Amino acid sequence: GEEVAQTPKHLVRGEGQKAKLYCAPIKGHSYVFWYQQVLKNEFKFLISFQNENVFDETGMPKERFSAKCLPNSPCSLEIQATKLEDSAVYFCASSQSVTGYGYTFGSGTRLTVV
Amino acid sequence: SQQGEEDPQALSIQEGENATMNCSYKTSINNLQWYRQNSGRGLVHLILIRSNEREKHSGRLRVTLDTSKKSSSLLITASRAADTASYFCATDAEGNNRLAFGKGNQVVVIP
Repeated sequence: GEEVAQTPKHLVRGEGQKAKLYCAPIKGHSYVFWYQQVLKNEFKFLISFQNENVFDETGMPKERFSAKCLPNSPCSLEIQATKLEDSAVYFCASSQSVTGYGYTFGSGTRLTVV
Repeated sequence: SQQGEEDPQALSIQEGENATMNCSYKTSINNLQWYRQNSGRGLVHLILIRSNEREKHSGRLRVTLDTSKKSSSLLITASRAADTASYFCATDAEGNNRLAFGKGNQVVVIP
C-alpha cells in the first residue's frame, strides 16, 4: 500500500508492563525507521532496518527496548517494563533508501504509561 | 549528532500572508528536507533540497539552502488556514544513516 500503517493508535500501560507497537511499511521500501516524539517536540531516532536486518540501532535504549522486522510480518517495537518517561508518540517511517529520499511516516502510536 | 534548529518557534499570521521559517544545522549534508505535522498526525514530506541546489519550489512552497551558512529557509506564500501545522526541517548528513530533525516551528494561519 501507499501508506505506513501503525497500530495501535493509542496504548495505555501501567508502569512495569510491556508495550508492543506495530508498523507495516510501504511495499517496496527497503528501510524502516522508528522515532520517538515527546511533547510534540523533537524526534529522537531509535532504530532503523534494511529489510529484516538491523541497520542502525545507536538510538535504542538497550536495556528495555527491542525491535524486529521479520519477513511477511509488520515490524514491531517492544518496550519491556515501561517507565513513565517512555510516554511519547512513536512514529515509524519507511523509505526507498537510507539517503536521498524523503521518508513516509505513519500516524504514530501514542503510548501513555501510568 | 547533528540536528536542525528552526527559528522562530511559533508564528501567527493572517490568511493570505506569507510565512517564513529558518533552519540551521552544524555539519555537511547530502540534502535537507522539510516536513509538516498536523496536530495528532505523522510527518508529511514537503520538499527535499540537495546540497548542490540553492533554491527549490513546489506549489506555494519555496525552499532555499545556503551551505556556506549551513542554513535553510521555508517560505509558504499566500497562506491558508489549512497550512496551520508544525514544520520541521531534517538533515540527511554525510556519514549518518538517518534524518535528524529540528525542534519544529508552529505556524497558525488565522482565517
